Amino acid sequence: EAAVTQSPRNKVAVTGGKVTLSCNQTNNHNNMYWYRQDTGHGLRLIHYSYGAGSTEKGDIPDGYKASRPSQENFSLILELATPSQTSVYFCASGVRGPDTQYFGPGTRLLVL
Amino acid sequence: GDKVKQSPSALSLQEGTNSALRCNFSIAATTVQWFLQNPRGSLINLFYLVPGTKENGRLKSAFDSKESYSTLHIRDAQLEDSGTYFCAAERNNNNAPRFGAGTKLSVKP
Repeated sequence: EAAVTQSPRNKVAVTGGKVTLSCNQTNNHNNMYWYRQDTGHGLRLIHYSYGAGSTEKGDIPDGYKASRPSQENFSLILELATPSQTSVYFCASGVRGPDTQYFGPGTRLLVL
Repeated sequence: GDKVKQSPSALSLQEGTNSALRCNFSIAATTVQWFLQNPRGSLINLFYLVPGTKENGRLKSAFDSKESYSTLHIRDAQLEDSGTYFCAAERNNNNAPRFGAGTKLSVKP
């Protein structure tokens, strides 16, 4: 079973502060993804990566940066957090090819 | 606009009955995934589909890429089937699935 972990699981941040959400996968998957989930919107794609050193913009990248320093790790960075970024963030990994995504448990972020 | 539209947005079923959930795509989807988000918030993989059908126990899913839709059929609904069902579609050469807004299913005794 694919394993994807996220840290922290819960975070309270102040407006204007910097927030880093971390994701680790131990399955040697090439692809990793960051989504946010808000009521009525399902999961919306923020950034994704095809491998170490690569990052791609998803559908809602504004206000977020991503970093993929290694095959295992993919971070989402909020340089200047805003209350509109309060959400649940999910990381996922997947192979390149016919297979499903595997999701982490999610991180609840509250920006005050 | 919405690339993946799910219907209905919410559904209440009596235990033991059957139902179908649907996803319509405005993108040229080549693969579809179905997930269940349980009440704890965890996303559970149900199906990964290329055009065709798959079955697993009481669940059956179909994906028609030409007509741009997918369905998830639930047979003999059980209380533990409650949760939110999401579909996600992927386009060829763009390996990042896009999700629908979900169908919230409540199964009642």
